[in-house]
Amino acid sequence: GQNIDQPTEMTATEGAIVQINCTYQTSGFNGLFWYQQHAGEAPTFLSYNVLDGLEEKGRFSSFLSRSKGYSYLLLKELQMKDSASYLCAWDNYGQNFVFGPGTRLSVLP
Amino acid sequence: DSGVTQTPKHLITATGQRVTLRCSPRSGDLSVYWYQQSLDQGLQFLIQYYNGEERAKGNILERFSAQQFPDLHSELNLSSLELGDSALYFCASSVRGSNSPLHFGNGTRLTVT
Repeated sequence: GQNIDQPTEMTATEGAIVQINCTYQTSGFNGLFWYQQHAGEAPTFLSYNVLDGLEEKGRFSSFLSRSKGYSYLLLKELQMKDSASYLCAWDNYGQNFVFGPGTRLSVLP
Repeated sequence: DSGVTQTPKHLITATGQRVTLRCSPRSGDLSVYWYQQSLDQGLQFLIQYYNGEERAKGNILERFSAQQFPDLHSELNLSSLELGDSALYFCASSVRGSNSPLHFGNGTRLTVT
């Protein structure tokens, strides 16, 4: 079957580092995406991994291990504006993108 | 601004009615996707079009239909509306689908009363 899972909620402190995990089960996919979504707004693209390893983009990094069905998003130097939901999604060869339930991150002062 | 335009922003209608949601993709993007997001729910894939042709279907109800026109804009038609259809409906576009990120419109918030 096909499944994708994330923790429901996380809390972290301003200036800290937080890691949001995503696990998935699928027979095949073409890459894994991370999106940020503020409440009531559109998801915005953060990062994309097609190969195993770490992709770094400023304060955000994403990691993928295909053999373990695992990805994470790392957010450094947390800011209050980072409070949002973070969605992982796997790319079913462009036919559709299967989104996880999202992790609601609260950044506290 | 993602470059994807959705209209209307808000829609309030009664049960049993029919509505049409419209989406204009980013310039140059050939793929259009429709997603439904209910309160506290994840994004549920409805349907995808590529260059005018239906390419993939998710758990889209028979009461819902969509099409993509020659100018690449897309419409999602929802009929015989029920209270449970109240949700945010997002359109997203990408250059070619696979290996390219989705760019989302701001969504249409549908309220069925």
